[in-house]
Amino acid sequence: AQKVTQAQTEISVVEKEDVTLDCVYETRDTTYYLFWYKQPPSGELVFLIRRNSFDEQNEISGRYSWNFQKSTSSFNFTITASQVVDSAVYFCALSELTGKLIFGQGTTLQVKP
Amino acid sequence: KAGVTQTPRYLIKTRGQQVTLSCSPISGHRSVSWYQQTPGQGLQFLFEYFSETQRNKGNFPGRFSGRQFSNSRSEMNVSTLELGDSALYLCASSLASLARDYNEQFFGPGTRLTVL
Repeated sequence: AQKVTQAQTEISVVEKEDVTLDCVYETRDTTYYLFWYKQPPSGELVFLIRRNSFDEQNEISGRYSWNFQKSTSSFNFTITASQVVDSAVYFCALSELTGKLIFGQGTTLQVKP
Repeated sequence: KAGVTQTPRYLIKTRGQQVTLSCSPISGHRSVSWYQQTPGQGLQFLFEYFSETQRNKGNFPGRFSGRQFSNSRSEMNVSTLELGDSALYLCASSLASLARDYNEQFFGPGTRLTVL
């Protein structure tokens, strides 16, 4: 069965600190996709990144970076030099070819000035 | 390019009533998915429509239904509302294709449903 686990319910950091959000997934398929979404207080889910199961290359986009490791079934997300505007709920999600997204429970990140 | 729009944004209903929520996808997107978000259960997949056909369905009772129109706009309906149906209902659209190439889902702002 598919499952996504975000063990960190809430994280609080001070601005400019680096923070890593953990995501562990379970799937029996060899082809799947992993995602991170951000949900600010307004409620809309904002797409951040997609990674497919055949591409383990890490990715960096500005202050954001993602570490995908199939060996440990993890897809962790790091924010470098966090800012107050990064405060939000972050969701990791998994999808097989059905297109249905399986979400983790989310990690609430609070960045204090 | 306009994003995904959902109407209404807020809704208050009483138990036993029914409700219809609407979603307009991004222009050119043919797939629309619906999700329910609650504090207890998190984000859960309801169903997906592609070319007016339900392509995938989550584990929700039959009181939850949906449809998609020829212009890709979608509606979801919940009949005989229960208190537990209070949630944020999110709609997402994607390009999708019959070949199932995966495309990102872009979400709307959601409809906040409160059942009293």
